[in-house]
Amino acid sequence: NAGVTQTPKFQVLKTGQSMTLQCAQDMNHNSMYWYRQDPGMGLRLIYYSASEGTTDKGEVPNGYNVSRLNKREFSLRLESAAPSQTSVYFCASSEDGTYTGNTIYFGEGSWLTVV
Amino acid sequence: GEDVEQSLFLSVREGDSSVINCTYTDSSSTYLYWYKQEPGAGLQLLTYIFSNMDMKQDQRLTVLLNKKDKHLSLRIADTQTGDSAIYFCAERSKQGGKLIFGQGTELSVKP
Repeated sequence: NAGVTQTPKFQVLKTGQSMTLQCAQDMNHNSMYWYRQDPGMGLRLIYYSASEGTTDKGEVPNGYNVSRLNKREFSLRLESAAPSQTSVYFCASSEDGTYTGNTIYFGEGSWLTVV
Repeated sequence: GEDVEQSLFLSVREGDSSVINCTYTDSSSTYLYWYKQEPGAGLQLLTYIFSNMDMKQDQRLTVLLNKKDKHLSLRIADTQTGDSAIYFCAERSKQGGKLIFGQGTELSVKP
């Protein structure tokens, strides 16, 4: 059972380049999320999608775009990478986006360095 | 707004109990979570507690919730070197069900 799968695991980009982080879940979850993790700051929400066809900004959306391609997939795009976007990115999913105890499952993370 | 705070570091000796503390601001949070992250890995859900509970115990883990003070703690009994990791407290927001995380507490267990 794969759970939440993210690709790539590691990526080095030059400033100004673009790239897309891919995320897929096989649990038939409605809600999906993208977080970034920086030292001493915990995880901060970039964007989330409460259901297929909807996306909403989180805490730190600037410089990112997302696409909920279908129920399984939620991609994160950096149009013009900046060094400040060097971070570890986590995709996550949960069955229901409302305030229930449904567990939120995380992917293994994608380490992105922008030079 | 929603905010979750944790102390950044905790060091204990092997065999002792560890207590990791967390405060949150959103009184409407219904679920609070503890996640563990080992170096170079993703987040692993350890346990969660519903807001109408005061305590939850799961083997070596005890979660205490003081809703009046908006204070959550995680106690690890008989701490082992394998417990060394970063521990994140999180509250579940009503808005979209997203998780709001604390900064993480780095637990160091010395033999």
